[in-house]
Amino acid sequence: GAVVSQHPSWVICKSGTSVKIECRSLDFQATTMFWYRQFPKQSLMLMATSNEGSKATYEQGVEKDKFLINHASLTLSTLTVTSAHPEDSSFYICSARVRQPYEQYFGPGTRLTVT
Amino acid sequence: GQNIDQPTEMTATEGAIVQINCTYQTSGFNGLFWYQQHAGEAPTFLSYNVLDGLEEKGRFSSFLSRSKGYSYLLLKELQMKDSASYLCAGLDSNYQLIWGAGTKLIIKP
Repeated sequence: GAVVSQHPSWVICKSGTSVKIECRSLDFQATTMFWYRQFPKQSLMLMATSNEGSKATYEQGVEKDKFLINHASLTLSTLTVTSAHPEDSSFYICSARVRQPYEQYFGPGTRLTVT
Repeated sequence: GQNIDQPTEMTATEGAIVQINCTYQTSGFNGLFWYQQHAGEAPTFLSYNVLDGLEEKGRFSSFLSRSKGYSYLLLKELQMKDSASYLCAGLDSNYQLIWGAGTKLIIKP
C-alpha cells in the first residue's frame, strides 16, 4: 500500500524559532498533499492543501506567513512553522492523496512542543 | 454548509458488536470514508463507500445510504485493540474530505 513518512516524529523548540516538518510519499507520486493539525482530544483540522508546483491553499484562519508550505516535488511537501509560540504546540499530520477514489494516506504525524 | 455528524463517544464490550453512525451534508458527494485513529497516532484507512449498500471487510463493515445522507461502521467480535477514535469523512464535489469530529470507542472486558 501507499506509504507516507514524516520527519521529525517529534520536536521541541524554543519560542521564536522556526521548525520544518517534511512529508514524503515513499512509493507513489502525490500531486496533492494535505497538512492537518490536531489538538489533544479534538478532531483533525485541515490547515492547507498543497499542490505540486503551485502555491498552497490555506483554510480560513490559518496564517500563510506563519505556516509556510512548499510542495517542490511529487513526493515531498514541507511545512515550516515560523516564529513558533507555545500555542503552536500540537500534533501535525500530513496526508497524500491518490487518484480514484481520492483516498488519503496519512503520515505518522509530528508532535511539536514549543517551550 | 457542509457537515458531518457522529456520536462523540460509545462504549461496548469485548466480543460484542457495535455500530457507529454518521450523517453527512456535503456540497456534492463523491464517497464516504471511515478512518481509525488510535491515541497519539495518525488515522488509518478503513473503508470507502460511494454506492448504496454494505461493504464487508473482515470484522469491519461499512454501509451507505445516499438518499438519507447516512452511513454506519459496524465492528464485529470486538477486541480490546479496537479501542480508538473512528472518523467519518465525506468527499465533496471538489474531492475534498470533510471530516467529522470522530467517535471515541471504548471497549470494556
